[in-house]
Amino acid sequence: QVQLQESGPGLVKPSETLSLTCTVSGDSISSYYWIWIRQPPGKGLEWIGWIYNSGSTNYNPSLKSRVTISVDTSKNLFSLKLRSLTAADTAVYYCARGVLGGVSDYWGQGTLVTVSS
Amino acid sequence: DIQMTQSPSSLSASVGDRVTITCRASQSISSYLNWYQQKPGKAPKLLIYAASNLQSGVPSRFSGGGSGTDFTLTISSLQPEDFATYYCQQSYITLTFGGGTKVEIK
Repeated sequence: QVQLQESGPGLVKPSETLSLTCTVSGDSISSYYWIWIRQPPGKGLEWIGWIYNSGSTNYNPSLKSRVTISVDTSKNLFSLKLRSLTAADTAVYYCARGVLGGVSDYWGQGTLVTVSS
Repeated sequence: DIQMTQSPSSLSASVGDRVTITCRASQSISSYLNWYQQKPGKAPKLLIYAASNLQSGVPSRFSGGGSGTDFTLTISSLQPEDFATYYCQQSYITLTFGGGTKVEIK
């Protein structure tokens, strides 16, 4: 059974960089797309970006200048870095597996990140 | 960017009702349309992929249809566990989600 687990700080200061990791079990990270999605409190879902083929990336144009997604195949995990945080980046951050070009069939439980001083 | 518009944004229905949610894309996305269910405090769950394919383990009362720009999600007989928020997602060019439809108890 494929399982994903996000980890990282729950509170980050404005202007700082958020770093999250998603540990994958039950599947090899060398296959499929690996996706980050976020959801501000009480709002809808927003795709942040993905990584596939262990290195090719694609990002939401609205976040592209601040986002980096990377993969560590030795640890079977992938990571998100989001720079220059503001309160608008406060959200639950989900990682997910993407198949068929992005269909998100397995999700992590999500982690709430609050941007506040 | 491809914009996804869902309607209605919310609806009230009773157990046993037939419910239909629509999703419209700002350009043709062929059949690259997926549907998710989200309950409070939980991650979204994949229901339907490629417009009309039922994800493994999802009850057959859920069905999807459409192609091009107009799509539907239908629940044939609403059950208590179906009260949730539903999102469409296009995967034709990267990913975009619709704004969501909250299904509430009447």
